[in-house]
Amino acid sequence: DAGVTQSPTHLIKTRGQQVTLRCSPISGHKSVSWYQQVLGQGPQFIFQYYEKEERGRGNFPDRFSARQFPNYSSELNVNALLLGDSALYLCASGQPNTGELFFGEGSRLTVL
Amino acid sequence: RKEVEQDPGPFNVPEGATVAFNCTYSNSASQSFFWYRQDCRKEPKLLMSVYSSGNEDGRFTAQLNRASQYISLLIRDSKLSDSATYLCVVNLLDDMRFGAGTRLTVKP
Repeated sequence: DAGVTQSPTHLIKTRGQQVTLRCSPISGHKSVSWYQQVLGQGPQFIFQYYEKEERGRGNFPDRFSARQFPNYSSELNVNALLLGDSALYLCASGQPNTGELFFGEGSRLTVL
Repeated sequence: RKEVEQDPGPFNVPEGATVAFNCTYSNSASQSFFWYRQDCRKEPKLLMSVYSSGNEDGRFTAQLNRASQYISLLIRDSKLSDSATYLCVVNLLDDMRFGAGTRLTVKP
């Protein structure tokens, strides 16, 4: 079975631009979470979606938004990019009742 | 205070050593607890869940003390392949919060 897949794997943007990151969860998983990981730090929670509804939001500005589609795939959007948005963006799917997360390989965003 | 705090590390140990990682969490309502492992430039992967009674998986032993809001991971007879960053994870209402991680390097 395919694991969590993310695209693109790497991308470079300039300040002020917008970016959309995509994630497909493991088949059968209805929950998708997004995390930002800056070098040397642990993943920081951005959003969780379950059954297409936002279940949780971390301490990120409104420039960050996300949505989940009927097939449970998800997109993370970041507007008005700042240099500090450069990070690895991880998507994870899981069964909420187990608490276990399965991560994709991430999308590495560089903002110049 | 951070939600999940870990030893800052890094830990550099010889092969065969025993190494312990410590973690504390701030929200007493937290429901479940995990250790994840993250290799360099890779995604985190579940290492083991942590139960109140303590649990062991081969060379790895995890402990939870709910009263002290403290979690530990012990690695015995460490191998070169154990070199990674170990992340303490706390789950509250399906909201998984990660510590900053402790990097371990096992040397020959």
